[in-house]
Amino acid sequence: ETGVTQSPTHLIKTRGQQVTLRCSSQSGHNTVSWYQQALGQGPQFIFQYYREEENGRGNFPPRFSGLQFPNYSSELNVNALELDDSALYLCASSTPGLHTTKETQYFGPGTRLLVL
Amino acid sequence: SQQGEEDPQALSIQEGENATMNCSYKTSINNLQWYRQNSGRGLVHLILIRSNEREKHSGRLRVTLDTSKKSSSLLITASRAADTASYFCATLSSGSARQLTFGSGTQLTVLP
Repeated sequence: ETGVTQSPTHLIKTRGQQVTLRCSSQSGHNTVSWYQQALGQGPQFIFQYYREEENGRGNFPPRFSGLQFPNYSSELNVNALELDDSALYLCASSTPGLHTTKETQYFGPGTRLLVL
Repeated sequence: SQQGEEDPQALSIQEGENATMNCSYKTSINNLQWYRQNSGRGLVHLILIRSNEREKHSGRLRVTLDTSKKSSSLLITASRAADTASYFCATLSSGSARQLTFGSGTQLTVLP
């Protein structure tokens, strides 16, 4: 167990709707990263939040947005859902430090989103 | 986009045999990490090797890193049915956003 939790575990939405996914980071971690994993693929980086600010973004459109709260938990919001948004959404928490060569991220169990 | 590729895409072995998976990547890295994923659930961190290390061991796992060839391998010795899972390598970028870039994974099946 990593101590990273995500909710809900599963979600079914229809095309055009909006969805909010939630993540609680591991105690002591101030950074949350979100990844999208399509079936049969490796996870792809969506964005990262550090101290409540977006700290980097992958190749995802603006309808993917996020928030980080003072307790370091985070939300991923996706507007105008498309069929291709069906995927496993993973969040990971970490604490970037001086020694980047030892740095890793700890993943939650994921939220499986199905868009019909 | 995917940083690199795992090889093979799928591997099926008998319990007790060794399993070797390879990973290639494209850019300079801070470290390389291996993760396991069971049945499309969360990723479990297995082992990390720093960019200045060449080999690392953890229990039945052995990881090598060749930065000149931009490649890594993961060896699981004396495999068990419980090792059946997808295995991903991931590289940690430098820069302010320390993102992990994953390969496409190797599906390992260990037959009892």
